[in-house]
Amino acid sequence: DTEVTQTPKHLVMGMTNKKSLKCEQHMGHRAMYWYKQKAKKPPELMFVYSYEKLSINESVPSRFSPECPNSSLLNLHLHALQPEDSALYLCASSVRTGGNEKLFFGSGTQLSVL
Amino acid sequence: AQSVTQLDSQVPVFEEAPVELRCNYSSSVSVYLFWYVQYPNQGLQLLLKYLSGSTLVKGINGFEAEFNKSQTSFHLRKPSVHISDTAEYFCAVSVGGGSYIPTFGRGTSLIVHP
Repeated sequence: DTEVTQTPKHLVMGMTNKKSLKCEQHMGHRAMYWYKQKAKKPPELMFVYSYEKLSINESVPSRFSPECPNSSLLNLHLHALQPEDSALYLCASSVRTGGNEKLFFGSGTQLSVL
Repeated sequence: AQSVTQLDSQVPVFEEAPVELRCNYSSSVSVYLFWYVQYPNQGLQLLLKYLSGSTLVKGINGFEAEFNKSQTSFHLRKPSVHISDTAEYFCAVSVGGGSYIPTFGRGTSLIVHP
């Protein structure tokens, strides 16, 4: 299994809603990442988990709350989002955090905030 | 800190023609270089990477790239493109031992016309 699976594929939510994005991989990777990607832009790093511990938080607003319950699962909890948070949210994993590591990306969740 | 510049935001080309997508990087230390491809409504997929050794790197789908240290470039080439190569291409740079998360360029949209 060489896939990173993200659910849901599409999500529409209001600014008062609470929702969660889910990411799963069964490749034994110990580093997992959340990226945000606006249309026609490169992915922007949000969070990095290494061995289930948060190692990087790129000054992301607290309305985004990551969680890594185990080595295969990564969640992103969303609350009180703004319309400008609408974007493609990509999850990725790698064997470990290291400069030469290949990132495996999921297909993303397309989020629309109304 | 490292950075990467993709000079062309869009490259139109006819099917079966050769193509070159340009990437230049800047870093004060040795780097690792990557090319990722993103098809519509998909995550990113690694095409190829340069870590060390031979400066000519071959990747998937007939793509190759050449690392040129003196010109700080890592251009992507394909001798004959197909319609299915239409996608967004991202160059990325990473360093070891410090900031190990790749920095992505802004992307180049390759548009293959029949």
